[in-house]
Amino acid sequence: KNEVEQSPQNLTAQEGEFITINCSYSVGISALHWLQQHPGGGIVSLFMLSSGKKKHGRLIATINIQEKHSSLHITASHPRDSAVYICAVRSNTGNQFYFGTGTSLTVIP
Amino acid sequence: DSGVTQTPKHLITATGQRVTLRCSPRSGDLSVYWYQQSLDQGLQFLIQYYNGEERAKGNILERFSAQQFPDLHSELNLSSLELGDSALYFCASSTQGNNYGYTFGSGTRLTVV
Repeated sequence: KNEVEQSPQNLTAQEGEFITINCSYSVGISALHWLQQHPGGGIVSLFMLSSGKKKHGRLIATINIQEKHSSLHITASHPRDSAVYICAVRSNTGNQFYFGTGTSLTVIP
Repeated sequence: DSGVTQTPKHLITATGQRVTLRCSPRSGDLSVYWYQQSLDQGLQFLIQYYNGEERAKGNILERFSAQQFPDLHSELNLSSLELGDSALYFCASSTQGNNYGYTFGSGTRLTVV
């Protein structure tokens, strides 16, 4: 059983489309992270959330603690957004990290 | 450059050998985290240090060990290497109050042959 489930696994979008990636988790958490991993392998931390909503440029992340669910939205998607997006949670017992398997996003010009 | 430096970038070694991966955190960050990313297991958390003390331990094998030194750099030691240890090893650092979470290094790609 995976503590973190992401959907969809793969996503192809046309440039300019609004994109949503979903993350559900089953453990109590102290924080949820959204990570971006480019084809070259480097990882960038996009957001760390414990409640509510955060926005950074065209990216918006929301979390619903009661429903144990988070979404990452990309507005006006661009080919440079093509990457794997990974949801990760830090449990509030034992400080463990659990990772989703990632959503591979391809944005076509 | 993220500010987190990992060396070496690539490492090829034989089974049974021992290697040391090094991480220098971003200036001012007290926490260092080690992660392993393999093709079959995805990202896994190994261990966290905060200001020289072990703070949390994840799926770290007994053959692996880590430490954080007084200058806050960290080393991950992998011994008795097996083919299955081939993976990308990432280090990340953080400081309390960072709204964007952690800063990752570019990783060390370990290939065990």
